[in-house]
Amino acid sequence: EPEVTQTPSHQVTQMGQEVILRCVPISNHLYFYWYRQILGQKVEFLVSFYNNEISEKSEIFDDQFSVERPDGSNFTLKIRSTKLEDSAMYFCASTLRQGADTQYFGPGTRLTVL
Amino acid sequence: KQEVTQIPAALSVPEGENLVLNCSFTDSAIYNLQWFRQDPGKGLTSLLLIQSSQREQTSGRLNASLDKSSGRSTLYIAASQPGDSATYLCAVRPPREYGNKLVFGAGTILRVKS
Repeated sequence: EPEVTQTPSHQVTQMGQEVILRCVPISNHLYFYWYRQILGQKVEFLVSFYNNEISEKSEIFDDQFSVERPDGSNFTLKIRSTKLEDSAMYFCASTLRQGADTQYFGPGTRLTVL
Repeated sequence: KQEVTQIPAALSVPEGENLVLNCSFTDSAIYNLQWFRQDPGKGLTSLLLIQSSQREQTSGRLNASLDKSSGRSTLYIAASQPGDSATYLCAVRPPREYGNKLVFGAGTILRVKS
């Protein structure tokens, strides 16, 4: 069964460093998302992406964050200058169509900022 | 602003018991509702998706119901097994014109004892 994959599974970085989290959505899906889950808290929406542009973003998704689909398969989340509070599990998700479809989630990348 | 609440926060049951997990949401104007399972340190596995026009969905031992007008959904697990032990998350999607993001509850941690 097709699945969303994410790399790396765990990333440790120093505060102020840039990180890029990578995702490969399900191959025929068109809508892509990033969510995060701080330890012990709810899963929170960050951003959605369609047709090579951001379609929606939350207030968490400030200028430190950016997303990109650099080729036909990868979808990346970049954090320019990491802060301690960026430590969280980051999940990528995808859907085939807008609206009615199930969102399929990847296994997540655990980001630890020291 | 949509808020999703899940009760109970944790539940421990003996193997074989039937159980109900509850989800409530403050704004009844939703597009759909999705139930997920999350194993410790892992990603989210979609269990069931209920469209706003539907009353219930079934998959194997799982049955999810939706009462949109009262802002409630339940996930019924029949004949529970130790392998069902996980965190169960409920997430709602707002009406189509407000985007594709999911709003999550905090989850119910389920432990099924053998």
